[in-house]
Amino acid sequence: DTGVSQNPRHKITKRGQNVTFRCDPISEHNRLYWYRQTLGQGPEFLTYFQNEAQLEKSRLLSDRFSAERPKGSFSTLEIQRTEQGDSAMYLCASSLVGGYYEQYFGPGTRLTVT
Amino acid sequence: DQQVKQNSPSLSVQEGRISILNCDYTNSMFDYFLWYKKYPAEGPTFLISISSIKDKNEDGRFTVFLNKSAKHLSLHIVPSQPGDSAVYFCAASGRGSQGNLIFGKGTKLSVKP
Repeated sequence: DTGVSQNPRHKITKRGQNVTFRCDPISEHNRLYWYRQTLGQGPEFLTYFQNEAQLEKSRLLSDRFSAERPKGSFSTLEIQRTEQGDSAMYLCASSLVGGYYEQYFGPGTRLTVT
Repeated sequence: DQQVKQNSPSLSVQEGRISILNCDYTNSMFDYFLWYKKYPAEGPTFLISISSIKDKNEDGRFTVFLNKSAKHLSLHIVPSQPGDSAVYFCAASGRGSQGNLIFGKGTKLSVKP
């Protein structure tokens, strides 16, 4: 399978704990995006990387959130001191650079903060 | 304020008939539009896209129409099949957005046998 993969698929954590999610994009894709989706809403953009550089961050990405893509391949999204409002589906997508290129999404990580 | 709006939360269609899903946008800087399909507990799956230099794009049973003056696009599925039952999201991106997509809230399509 050469699609976007995300791990874990599900994460249940207690409020105040830190969590980390991983995304492996399609291998030839330079761009990697993180989105968050809550019930009844469409995905909302969080941040994106071109190779290893983080080029844009949404206002949704509070100081408790940090994302990395150290070697321009896989990416991690860490949430520190989780809150119940962080419960959501976290989606990763990847695409080629430039022009009009569709983004391909992974299956997502469902986070539940209790 | 929502820049991409899907005003119909749900749509029910008989198998074999046409499904028409609608989407409106407000930002005139958007120049690339996409439709995604999403099943429960899965990520969105890319269906079809259209750039602002076109007004129609077809791929098999799926056709997207773009009316730039009305800031409106629609997805036509002909003929509809029960396997098409899913939530459909309209998304847009534009010059200066670096490619991040702005999504609507989705329309749940049910195709009845």
